[in-house]
Amino acid sequence: EPEVTQTPSHQVTQMGQEVILRCVPISNHLYFYWYRQILGQKVEFLVSFYNNEISEKSEIFDDQFSVERPDGSNFTLKIRSTKLEDSAMYFCASSPGDAGELFFGEGSRLTVL
Amino acid sequence: GQNIDQPTEMTATEGAIVQINCTYQTSGFNGLFWYQQHAGEAPTFLSYNVLDGLEEKGRFSSFLSRSKGYSYLLLKELQMKDSASYLCAVGYSGAGSYQLTFGKGTKLSVIP
Repeated sequence: EPEVTQTPSHQVTQMGQEVILRCVPISNHLYFYWYRQILGQKVEFLVSFYNNEISEKSEIFDDQFSVERPDGSNFTLKIRSTKLEDSAMYFCASSPGDAGELFFGEGSRLTVL
Repeated sequence: GQNIDQPTEMTATEGAIVQINCTYQTSGFNGLFWYQQHAGEAPTFLSYNVLDGLEEKGRFSSFLSRSKGYSYLLLKELQMKDSASYLCAVGYSGAGSYQLTFGKGTKLSVIP
Protein backbone atom coordinates (compact mmCIF):
# COMPACT_ATOMS: atom_id res chain seq x y z
CA GLU A 1 0.00 0.00 0.00
CA PRO A 2 1.43 3.42 -0.92
CA GLU A 3 2.57 5.51 2.01
CA VAL A 4 4.01 8.87 2.91
CA THR A 5 7.64 8.59 4.00
CA GLN A 6 9.58 11.07 6.11
CA THR A 7 13.23 11.53 6.98
CA PRO A 8 14.86 11.83 9.40
CA SER A 9 12.80 10.06 12.04
CA HIS A 10 14.58 12.03 14.75
CA GLN A 11 16.84 15.06 14.58
CA VAL A 12 18.60 16.85 17.41
CA THR A 13 19.90 20.34 16.69
CA GLN A 14 21.27 23.37 18.47
CA MET A 15 19.18 26.51 18.81
CA GLY A 16 19.77 28.84 15.86
CA GLN A 17 20.68 26.07 13.43
CA GLU A 18 18.84 25.38 10.19
CA VAL A 19 16.89 22.16 9.82
CA ILE A 20 15.40 20.53 6.74
CA LEU A 21 12.76 17.84 7.12
CA ARG A 22 12.03 15.72 4.09
CA CYS A 23 8.91 13.98 2.89
CA VAL A 24 7.96 11.84 -0.07
CA PRO A 25 4.18 12.09 -0.52
CA ILE A 26 2.11 9.37 -2.18
CA SER A 27 2.93 9.57 -5.87
CA ASN A 28 -0.45 10.46 -7.40
CA HIS A 29 -1.45 12.88 -4.67
CA LEU A 30 -1.79 16.57 -5.45
CA TYR A 31 -2.10 18.26 -2.04
CA PHE A 32 0.73 18.26 0.48
CA TYR A 33 0.78 19.38 4.08
CA TRP A 34 2.95 19.90 7.11
CA TYR A 35 1.50 19.59 10.59
CA ARG A 36 3.27 19.71 13.94
CA GLN A 37 2.47 18.27 17.34
CA ILE A 38 4.19 19.56 20.44
CA LEU A 39 4.42 16.83 23.08
CA GLY A 40 1.08 16.41 24.83
CA GLN A 41 -0.70 18.89 22.59
CA LYS A 42 -2.91 18.73 19.55
CA VAL A 43 -1.96 18.22 15.92
CA GLU A 44 -1.62 21.74 14.44
CA PHE A 45 -1.80 22.76 10.80
CA LEU A 46 1.27 24.57 9.47
CA VAL A 47 0.94 24.80 5.70
CA SER A 48 -0.72 23.32 2.63
CA PHE A 49 0.85 23.16 -0.82
CA TYR A 50 -0.83 22.68 -4.17
CA ASN A 51 0.21 23.23 -7.76
CA ASN A 52 3.73 24.17 -6.70
CA GLU A 53 2.74 26.92 -4.36
CA ILE A 54 1.52 27.48 -0.82
CA SER A 55 -2.29 27.38 -0.78
CA GLU A 56 -2.72 28.22 2.89
CA LYS A 57 -0.56 28.74 5.95
CA SER A 58 -1.27 29.16 9.64
CA GLU A 59 -0.09 31.83 12.04
CA ILE A 60 2.58 29.42 13.24
CA PHE A 61 4.16 29.33 9.76
CA ASP A 62 6.14 32.56 10.07
CA ASP A 63 9.17 33.78 8.13
CA GLN A 64 11.50 31.20 9.65
CA PHE A 65 9.58 28.42 7.89
CA SER A 66 9.62 27.60 4.20
CA VAL A 67 8.47 24.70 2.04
CA GLU A 68 9.72 23.48 -1.29
CA ARG A 69 9.02 20.78 -3.80
CA PRO A 70 12.47 20.60 -5.40
CA ASP A 71 11.64 17.73 -7.74
CA GLY A 72 8.73 15.50 -8.67
CA SER A 73 8.79 13.46 -5.48
CA ASN A 74 10.19 15.33 -2.47
CA PHE A 75 8.45 17.91 -0.30
CA THR A 76 10.59 19.66 2.28
CA LEU A 77 10.07 21.86 5.34
CA LYS A 78 12.93 24.17 6.25
CA ILE A 79 13.22 25.89 9.61
CA ARG A 80 15.82 28.60 9.15
CA SER A 81 16.85 29.40 12.70
CA THR A 82 15.46 26.91 15.19
CA LYS A 83 14.16 27.93 18.60
CA LEU A 84 13.57 25.81 21.67
CA GLU A 85 9.82 26.01 21.11
CA ASP A 86 10.19 24.39 17.67
CA SER A 87 10.79 21.08 19.42
CA ALA A 88 7.90 18.91 18.25
CA MET A 89 6.89 16.04 16.02
CA TYR A 90 6.47 17.23 12.44
CA PHE A 91 4.06 15.27 10.27
CA CYS A 92 3.91 15.41 6.52
CA ALA A 93 0.63 14.46 4.87
CA SER A 94 -0.80 14.23 1.40
CA SER A 95 -4.21 13.86 -0.21
CA PRO A 96 -5.31 13.03 -3.75
CA GLY A 97 -7.66 16.00 -3.97
CA ASP A 98 -9.46 18.74 -2.08
CA ALA A 99 -11.69 16.41 -0.13
CA GLY A 100 -11.37 13.24 1.90
CA GLU A 101 -8.76 11.97 4.27
CA LEU A 102 -5.18 13.04 4.64
CA PHE A 103 -2.53 10.35 4.65
CA PHE A 104 0.12 10.98 7.27
CA GLY A 105 3.77 10.02 7.38
CA GLU A 106 5.36 8.54 10.49
CA GLY A 107 6.69 11.93 11.55
CA SER A 108 10.04 13.54 12.22
CA ARG A 109 10.80 14.29 15.83
CA LEU A 110 12.77 17.52 16.16
CA THR A 111 14.58 18.28 19.39
CA VAL A 112 16.13 21.74 19.74
CA LEU A 113 18.70 22.14 22.50
CA GLY B 1 -12.19 29.88 12.21
CA GLN B 2 -12.77 26.44 13.59
CA ASN B 3 -13.58 25.34 17.13
CA ILE B 4 -13.61 21.63 17.97
CA ASP B 5 -14.44 20.19 21.39
CA GLN B 6 -14.07 16.63 22.62
CA PRO B 7 -13.54 15.13 26.06
CA THR B 8 -9.96 14.99 27.26
CA GLU B 9 -9.99 11.48 28.67
CA MET B 10 -12.24 8.44 28.89
CA THR B 11 -11.91 5.01 30.45
CA ALA B 12 -13.79 1.90 29.38
CA THR B 13 -13.68 -1.82 30.04
CA GLU B 14 -12.43 -4.45 27.62
CA GLY B 15 -15.35 -5.90 25.64
CA ALA B 16 -17.59 -2.89 26.28
CA ILE B 17 -18.84 -0.14 24.00
CA VAL B 18 -17.65 3.47 24.22
CA GLN B 19 -18.91 6.62 22.52
CA ILE B 20 -16.60 9.60 22.03
CA ASN B 21 -18.40 12.84 21.26
CA CYS B 22 -17.21 15.80 19.25
CA THR B 23 -18.81 19.17 18.68
CA TYR B 24 -17.57 21.70 16.19
CA GLN B 25 -18.13 25.15 14.81
CA THR B 26 -16.62 25.87 11.44
CA SER B 27 -17.02 27.61 8.14
CA GLY B 28 -16.39 25.90 4.81
CA PHE B 29 -17.26 22.47 6.23
CA ASN B 30 -16.01 19.62 4.08
CA GLY B 31 -16.29 16.48 6.14
CA LEU B 32 -15.81 15.19 9.69
CA PHE B 33 -12.95 12.79 10.28
CA TRP B 34 -11.85 10.50 13.08
CA TYR B 35 -8.24 9.47 13.46
CA GLN B 36 -6.57 7.15 15.95
CA GLN B 37 -3.18 8.08 17.38
CA HIS B 38 -1.06 5.86 19.57
CA ALA B 39 1.53 7.64 21.70
CA GLY B 40 4.53 8.73 19.63
CA GLU B 41 2.98 7.62 16.36
CA ALA B 42 1.24 9.23 13.40
CA PRO B 43 -2.52 9.69 13.22
CA THR B 44 -4.19 6.89 11.30
CA PHE B 45 -7.50 7.35 9.52
CA LEU B 46 -10.57 5.64 10.98
CA SER B 47 -13.67 7.18 9.42
CA TYR B 48 -15.12 10.04 7.41
CA ASN B 49 -18.62 11.53 7.34
CA VAL B 50 -19.67 14.19 4.87
CA LEU B 51 -23.43 13.58 5.01
CA ASP B 52 -25.65 13.21 8.06
CA GLY B 53 -26.05 9.74 9.47
CA LEU B 54 -24.12 6.72 10.59
CA GLU B 55 -21.13 5.16 8.85
CA GLU B 56 -20.18 1.67 10.03
CA LYS B 57 -16.81 0.06 9.51
CA GLY B 58 -16.33 -3.14 11.49
CA ARG B 59 -16.06 -2.39 15.22
CA PHE B 60 -16.02 1.35 14.54
CA SER B 61 -18.97 3.57 13.63
CA SER B 62 -19.18 7.31 13.24
CA PHE B 63 -22.21 9.56 13.25
CA LEU B 64 -22.65 13.09 11.96
CA SER B 65 -25.32 15.78 12.40
CA ARG B 66 -24.30 18.84 10.42
CA SER B 67 -27.19 20.96 11.71
CA LYS B 68 -26.09 20.33 15.30
CA GLY B 69 -22.36 20.48 14.61
CA TYR B 70 -22.04 17.12 16.32
CA SER B 71 -20.34 13.82 15.69
CA TYR B 72 -19.53 10.73 17.68
CA LEU B 73 -17.24 7.76 17.27
CA LEU B 74 -18.57 4.46 18.58
CA LEU B 75 -16.15 1.67 19.38
CA LYS B 76 -17.63 -1.78 20.03
CA GLU B 77 -16.10 -4.90 21.60
CA LEU B 78 -13.25 -2.89 23.01
CA GLN B 79 -9.81 -4.44 22.97
CA MET B 80 -6.73 -3.46 24.96
CA LYS B 81 -5.07 -2.31 21.74
CA ASP B 82 -7.80 0.33 21.33
CA SER B 83 -6.11 2.33 24.10
CA ALA B 84 -5.05 5.44 22.18
CA SER B 85 -6.01 9.04 21.50
CA TYR B 86 -8.95 9.58 19.17
CA LEU B 87 -8.80 12.77 17.18
CA CYS B 88 -11.85 14.51 15.78
CA ALA B 89 -10.99 16.63 12.73
CA VAL B 90 -13.00 18.91 10.50
CA GLY B 91 -12.29 19.27 6.80
CA TYR B 92 -12.19 22.87 5.73
CA SER B 93 -12.26 24.17 2.18
CA GLY B 94 -11.35 27.77 1.56
CA ALA B 95 -10.34 29.76 -1.49
CA GLY B 96 -8.31 27.20 -3.43
CA SER B 97 -7.22 25.34 -0.32
CA TYR B 98 -8.17 22.32 1.73
CA GLN B 99 -7.03 21.19 5.16
CA LEU B 100 -8.06 19.30 8.26
CA THR B 101 -8.28 21.02 11.62
CA PHE B 102 -7.88 18.72 14.61
CA GLY B 103 -9.38 18.77 18.04
CA LYS B 104 -7.22 18.15 21.10
CA GLY B 105 -8.03 14.45 21.09
CA THR B 106 -9.66 12.10 23.58
CA LYS B 107 -7.29 9.74 25.37
CA LEU B 108 -9.09 6.41 25.77
CA SER B 109 -7.84 3.92 28.32
CA VAL B 110 -9.19 0.38 28.01
CA ILE B 111 -8.95 -1.57 31.25
CA PRO B 112 -9.36 -5.31 31.83
